[in-house]
Amino acid sequence: EPEVTQTPSHQVTQMGQEVILRCVPISNHLYFYWYRQILGQKVEFLVSFYNNEISEKSEIFDDQFSVERPDGSNFTLKIRSTKLEDSAMYFCASSESGYPGYTFGSGTRLTVV
Amino acid sequence: DQQVKQNSPSLSVQEGRISILNCDYTNSMFDYFLWYKKYPAEGPTFLISISSIKDKNEDGRFTVFLNKSAKHLSLHIVPSQPGDSAVYFCACNAGGTSYGKLTFGQGTILTVHP
Repeated sequence: EPEVTQTPSHQVTQMGQEVILRCVPISNHLYFYWYRQILGQKVEFLVSFYNNEISEKSEIFDDQFSVERPDGSNFTLKIRSTKLEDSAMYFCASSESGYPGYTFGSGTRLTVV
Repeated sequence: DQQVKQNSPSLSVQEGRISILNCDYTNSMFDYFLWYKKYPAEGPTFLISISSIKDKNEDGRFTVFLNKSAKHLSLHIVPSQPGDSAVYFCACNAGGTSYGKLTFGQGTILTVHP
């Protein structure tokens, strides 16, 4: 069964450093998403991306965050200057049609120290 | 953000019995509803969904019921199996320009005992 692949599975970074989380969506999918889950809290929407541009973003997704599809296979989330409160599990997801039953990756656990 | 609430943090059920997971929402713009299952160290896995034009959708052992007037949905698993033990999230979508955005509940931990 096709999978959404996220790397690394765990990343530790120092506060103030830039971090890039990587995702390889399912190959024929056209819609891409990032979500995060802070420990003990809900899964929260960050951003959706279609046709090489952001289609929607949440209040969490401020100027410190950016997304990019640098080639035909990768989808990245960049946090420019990490804060302690950015520590969370970050999930990438993709969808063929934008229909909400989309496929999530296994997540990257980001720890900011 | 209290738009989607799952009031039971956990549920324990005997194998073979019915599991009923509940979810309430407040946003009347939500028109598509989903259930996801999540195992530790994995991402959420899509289970079943329902559109606001229906009140029931079945897929094998899983049935989702929607009561729009009460802004309530539920997931029934019959019969429950030990492999169903996981965290279950309900998620809601508002369609339109929020076509992909999901608003999640906080999850219910289901434990199915052999």
